[in-house]
Amino acid sequence: NAGVTQTPKFQVLKTGQSMTLQCAQDMNHNSMYWYRQDPGMGLRLIYYSASEGTTDKGEVPNGYNVSRLNKREFSLRLESAAPSQTSVYFCASSEGPARRQPQHFGDGTRLSIL
Amino acid sequence: DAKTTQPPSMDCAEGRAANLPCNHSTISGNEYVYWYRQIHSQGPQYIIHGLKNNETNEMASLIITEDRKSSTLILPHATLRDTAVYYCIVSYYTDKLIFGTGTRLQVFP
Repeated sequence: NAGVTQTPKFQVLKTGQSMTLQCAQDMNHNSMYWYRQDPGMGLRLIYYSASEGTTDKGEVPNGYNVSRLNKREFSLRLESAAPSQTSVYFCASSEGPARRQPQHFGDGTRLSIL
Repeated sequence: DAKTTQPPSMDCAEGRAANLPCNHSTISGNEYVYWYRQIHSQGPQYIIHGLKNNETNEMASLIITEDRKSSTLILPHATLRDTAVYYCIVSYYTDKLIFGTGTRLQVFP
């Protein structure tokens, strides 16, 4: 079972470059999420999509855009990368915005911006 | 969502029970307690959740005090593979989880 798949696993960018992080889930989940995790910190929610066709801002949305391409895929785009966006990015999915449904996480994308 | 307080680190001997505490004194009546863990640099893994009653699954047990202001995650027989950061999260909606810095559990031989 693949679960939540993130690509790429590692990426190095120069300041000002753009990039799209891809996420796909095969569990037929309705909701999907993007988090970032800085060293020694917990995860912080960037954006989430409660269902296909909807997206909402999380705690730290500035500098990012998202697209819920279909039920399976949720992408995160950095239009003009900045060093402050160096982080590990995690995608997650869950059955829905209903309460008590655990989130399932991918293995992360490690992004360095020089 | 209610805030949680966890010790930054704990040690546990392999084979012994690991008891990880969490304070959530401002929890409201309809908020659940969730536990996730993050092994090394992998994505977080769901462990267990509960509202009022104690809960048990194949991974762990969750003990919630009667006033719901604190809880304890119990790993009954810790192994080296349980070394991880454990996050206690209180939330009404599972689409808005707030991860703090968690407790770093080190299981030693």
